[in-house]
Amino acid sequence: EAAVTQSPRNKVAVTGGKVTLSCNQTNNHNNMYWYRQDTGHGLRLIHYSYGAGSTEKGDIPDGYKASRPSQENFSLILELATPSQTSVYFCASGGAPGQGNERLFFGHGTKLSVL
Amino acid sequence: QQQVRQSPQSLTVWEGETAILNCSYEDSTFDYFPWYHQFPGESPALLIAIRPVSNKKEDGRFTIFFNKREKKFSLHIADSQPGDSATYFCAASYSNYQLIWGSGTKLIIKP
Repeated sequence: EAAVTQSPRNKVAVTGGKVTLSCNQTNNHNNMYWYRQDTGHGLRLIHYSYGAGSTEKGDIPDGYKASRPSQENFSLILELATPSQTSVYFCASGGAPGQGNERLFFGHGTKLSVL
Repeated sequence: QQQVRQSPQSLTVWEGETAILNCSYEDSTFDYFPWYHQFPGESPALLIAIRPVSNKKEDGRFTIFFNKREKKFSLHIADSQPGDSATYFCAASYSNYQLIWGSGTKLIIKP
């Protein structure tokens, strides 16, 4: 079974502080994704990556940066955290869409509270 | 922006009944339609998926019905069990593009 590990599981940050969420996958998937989940909004795509060195903006990238230094690791960075970024963040990995390997494997999530 | 609309927002059925969750989409080029489920406190996981070459896909008690002409697809959960209580997300995508997600249906199965 594919494995996606997120850290930390819970994070409390102060407004204006920097927050880094980390994600590691052992599936050798090219694609990785960062989503946030809020009640009433489902899953919203923040950033994604097609492979090491690449990052792409998703639907709600404002206030977030992403980094993909290797095939296995994908980070989400909040340079200046705001209370509106309080949410549950999910990392996922998957094969390239359209190639019969679209299944996404999600990490357990990071619950972020910005005070 | 392409959208996938999901209804109802919440659904309660009795154990043993068939639960029906609905989704519709706008972009006729979509060619992959998965359903994910998410149990409280857990992450989403793929339940079942269909491609437009078929209008029906079954996996045990779970069946996707697909209507290409009306741009609709639905998930039927037969003989619902309390353990099926979860939030269900539909989604859609087309080759080399990202999934477009529905907003979710919270399903409660009453024993």
